[in-house]
Amino acid sequence: AQSVAQPEDQVNVAEGNPLTVKCTYSVSGNPYLFWYVQYPNRGLQFLLKYITGDNLVKGSYGFEAEFNKSQTSFHLKTPSALVSDSALYFCAVRDLSGGYNKLIFGAGTRLAVHP
Amino acid sequence: KAGVTQTPRYLIKTRGQQVTLSCSPISGHRSVSWYQQTPGQGLQFLFEYFSETQRNKGNFPGRFSGRQFSNSRSEMNVSTLELGDSALYLCASSFGLAGNTGELFFGEGSRLTVL
Repeated sequence: AQSVAQPEDQVNVAEGNPLTVKCTYSVSGNPYLFWYVQYPNRGLQFLLKYITGDNLVKGSYGFEAEFNKSQTSFHLKTPSALVSDSALYFCAVRDLSGGYNKLIFGAGTRLAVHP
Repeated sequence: KAGVTQTPRYLIKTRGQQVTLSCSPISGHRSVSWYQQTPGQGLQFLFEYFSETQRNKGNFPGRFSGRQFSNSRSEMNVSTLELGDSALYLCASSFGLAGNTGELFFGEGSRLTVL
């Protein structure tokens, strides 16, 4: 079965410091990978995606993600965290198993940026 | 452009009842996906409708059903409610199939509480 994992339930970082939110995946074939963010009491918002091309993908709100095929990872990064970045972050992957074509999401990582 | 609209935002039901949730996608979007979000299980994919046809399906029992109308609006129904159905139900729309585009636009969700 195809899957996506976010090994950290929570990440704490001081404002202005770089941050990384980790994501690993297990799919057959070429992966389609995505990051979403959820602010309190809101739906998810799309941040960025990797389908093909450069391994470093730039997205919304100053975030970027690095695709690493050998490590089957797609970590989300920003060079300088803001308090307003505090939210729940989801990694997602396209799942083609069972004849379907759907997005499955990781369990989410809660990011807390402290002033 | 108006975003994805879900109604009702909050509702309380008792075990054994049924519930219908509604989702109006972004104008021009033909795909509507439904997800269940709970603290313990994270985001679980329910189903996706595209041009009034169910195109993808998750691993939920038959009590969970949906449909899509010719104007792309979608409804999901849960019959014979159980306590475990308490969750935030999220609807997301996309221009094409979710798995192909990966760029889903989420509503703010319908929070269902089953007593």
